[in-house]
Amino acid sequence: QKEVEQNSGPLSVPEGAIASLNCTYSDRGSQSFFWYRQYSGKSPELIMSIYSNGDKEDGRFTAQLNKASQYVSLLIRDSQPSDSATYLCAVNGGGGSNYKLTFGKGTLLTVNP
Amino acid sequence: DAGVTQSPTHLIKTRGQQVTLRCSPKSGHDTVSWYQQALGQGPQFIFQYYEEEERQRGNFPDRFSGHQFPNYSSELNVNALLLGDSALYLCASSLGLGFNEQYFGPGTRLTVT
Repeated sequence: QKEVEQNSGPLSVPEGAIASLNCTYSDRGSQSFFWYRQYSGKSPELIMSIYSNGDKEDGRFTAQLNKASQYVSLLIRDSQPSDSATYLCAVNGGGGSNYKLTFGKGTLLTVNP
Repeated sequence: DAGVTQSPTHLIKTRGQQVTLRCSPKSGHDTVSWYQQALGQGPQFIFQYYEEEERQRGNFPDRFSGHQFPNYSSELNVNALLLGDSALYLCASSLGLGFNEQYFGPGTRLTVT
């Protein structure tokens, strides 16, 4: 089983719609969870971090964490063409003092005008 | 507030050569992690430096080595380059050892011919 898995893409949504991105992780000891946005040819940009169960909202973005189900998601409301990018889920922690980020392969999101 | 910087931006090397990549962390950060990102994949953890010591290492051969300087900047060295080392090399900085947010630099695109 892969350590971090993301829903297979690509995902295409119309402008103004809600985009839903999902991620599961295998290490129950994981402590922190992040979503990064990566435009083509660029480096990952941190857009959301979440550390405890529940929802965390920041503008049009909402991260949801369920540690019992080992599941983390990102919702993008009122999607814009500028949101078109690859979204990377990253998990930190687990297995003792393990401070590295483990990434999924990413989900390519396209927002159509 | 200065972000993470990396140099050079692009690099072309020949198989068997050696390369050094450089990173300066975000202002106020003292921990540097290095990642390798192949095309279409999520970043893979190489190693992490804190207080001038390698604290964690991913599944990379000894050809990959690093260093952290007293001003928290860091170098990644790769010896005996292979074609498979062609990738985007990312530096991420964070504050202290822990499950904290990591911020990425723009990356160095290494091509091995």
